[in-house]
Amino acid sequence: EAGVAQSPRYKIIEKRQSVAFWCNPISGHATLYWYQQILGQGPKLLIQFQNNGVVDDSQLPKDRFSAERLKGVDSTLKIQPAKLEDSAVYLCASSRINWQRGPGQGAYEQYFGPGTRLTVT
Amino acid sequence: RKEVEQDPGPFNVPEGATVAFNCTYSNSASQSFFWYRQDCRKEPKLLMSVYSSGNEDGRFTAQLNRASQYISLLIRDSKLSDSATYLCVVNPGGYNKLIFGAGTRLAVHP
Repeated sequence: EAGVAQSPRYKIIEKRQSVAFWCNPISGHATLYWYQQILGQGPKLLIQFQNNGVVDDSQLPKDRFSAERLKGVDSTLKIQPAKLEDSAVYLCASSRINWQRGPGQGAYEQYFGPGTRLTVT
Repeated sequence: RKEVEQDPGPFNVPEGATVAFNCTYSNSASQSFFWYRQDCRKEPKLLMSVYSSGNEDGRFTAQLNRASQYISLLIRDSKLSDSATYLCVVNPGGYNKLIFGAGTRLAVHP
């Protein structure tokens, strides 16, 4: 089974420029997540999609970050304009849905892609 | 207060040693708990889930204390290949949302 694919793997941009990241989840995984991992910290959830709908974007800096998953498969995350503090690894993850469980009845393994390492200079 | 707190380490141990990591979480309504492993410059991967009764997977044992809001991971007979960062992860409720701690770094030396 192919894993979560992400591109590009590395990106260096200057502050105030824009950048986009792409993610293709594991086939059949309806839930897709974007995380930001700053050096020395754990991953922080930016946005969670269920199919093509947003489940949670409470920690997404919406003035500069946007994400979409138009057909419920691939997703893109965009930053415009970038700031120095956006330097981080951006991880995409996906997971299954088990319709027999509801919210709060347990979480499912999330499978992570290799990430995109962003450096803003 | 952070939602999930871990000692960042590093824990430097010789091969064959037993090492334990602890983690505390702030949300008493948290539903499920996990340990993920992250190798240097790699993505996190699920190591094991943590059940209320405690659970073991080979050399790894996880414990949960809901009353104290405390999770632990014990690694016995450490191997060089165990060197990694161990992330304590909590599902606070809500649909499959995970909150990650900052991780505890383990370095196993010969």
